[in-house]
Parts: sequence; C-alpha cells; structure tokens
Amino acid sequence: DGGITQSPKYLFRKEGQNVTLSCEQNLNHDAMYWYRQDPGQGLRLIYYSQIVNDFQKGDIAEGYSVSREKKESFPLTVTSAQKNPTAFYLCASSYTEGGYTFGSGTRLTVV
Amino acid sequence: AQSVAQPEDQVNVAEGNPLTVKCTYSVSGNPYLFWYVQYPNRGLQFLLKYITGDNLVKGSYGFEAEFNKSQTSFHLKKPSALVSDSALYFCAVRISTGGFKTIFGAGTRLFVKA
Repeated sequence: DGGITQSPKYLFRKEGQNVTLSCEQNLNHDAMYWYRQDPGQGLRLIYYSQIVNDFQKGDIAEGYSVSREKKESFPLTVTSAQKNPTAFYLCASSYTEGGYTFGSGTRLTVV
Repeated sequence: AQSVAQPEDQVNVAEGNPLTVKCTYSVSGNPYLFWYVQYPNRGLQFLLKYITGDNLVKGSYGFEAEFNKSQTSFHLKKPSALVSDSALYFCAVRISTGGFKTIFGAGTRLFVKA
C-alpha cells in the first residue's frame, strides 16, 4: 500500500544535541513538507520541497535543516540552535493540486 | 496577509444532531480549500477539498462542506453526528507563492456526546 512513513514515533533529545527525523513516501508525490504542531497553535510550516535537490524555508525554519536527495525521502534535522524543540512533528506529501497525505508524526521531547 | 480562521476552539454537539465546523479565509486569487481531521497522537487525514465547480463538496465519513465565495467561507457539515466523529478538525487553503504551500487554521475540537 502507498503511504508516508515517519520514524521514530517518539524521540528524546538531550540539550545541545542534533537529531534527525525520518520521512519516506512511496506515493510518487513531487512535493514534501514538514510541519510542527504545538497545542493550541495548529500547524506551522518548517520547510517544504517541490522537487528533488530543492527546498524552501517555511515560517519557522530557524534551528532546522532538511535535505531532498531522493524523491521519496525528506529528512528533518533539529539542530541545537532550536531552543524549544519539544513538539509533535508532521511530515506530508502531495501532488501540486491535491490534498496532503500525512505521516503519523514524531513526538520529540527534550530531556 | 493570507490567512485561515477557525473561529471556534471547540464545538459540542449531541449524537444524531447536525454539526457545523466553521472556516473563513483571506487569500488572493481563487483558493483551493481543504478539510482534515486529526485523531489523538496521529497525523492528519484528508476529508475533502474544493478547487472548482459545485459549491457543495462531499467527502469521507459522510462529511460535506459548502464553499461560499461572497462570505469567503468553507464550513464543514454533517447531517447526523457520531461519537466517533470526535476529533480535531483543520481547515486549510492552498496558496500560490511561485510554488504551492498550504496554510492551516488553528483547528477546532469537536466533541460529540452520546
């Protein structure tokens, strides 16, 4: 079955540590996205990519980095520069005019 | 600024009654409009979309939404609510910025009481 897979489901980060969240899709979608969800704030766009080897900053890109070396994969790195990384992270993919298909999310907690 | 508003943080409805979750938007050009549902600790699931054509759009799980251009609204509706409809609902609008990205509303929590 086609879908989008995020891993891990839960992730714990120590202060000053970089961590990478995985996102893989087999839907043949060109576009992929990373959102951050905090209680009461809805979804905020971190980064998005519409084609391989190209990506753009969203509204809250500071402290995050991404790569898009393959169409299927769009990993997100939360760097030590992100001062408040505890949140629920959602990856999504889509065709240009279609609705999004979301992964099940990664809950990141700073310990 | 382009935006999506969901004026109600929470909607309460009794099972079997009709439900409405409100959404208004402010974008330039012709909008692509979407509704998504989120269950606890899960990603969002696509419910329905409006791009063009009939103003009443039917989607998954018996939901429908009405596009009203003059009121810039896209309210989500269901004739008879189920307890299992209880979830967080997001309205979203696709905008063109040299590419495409989507702006999400803050979400409305729906409680359906048995």
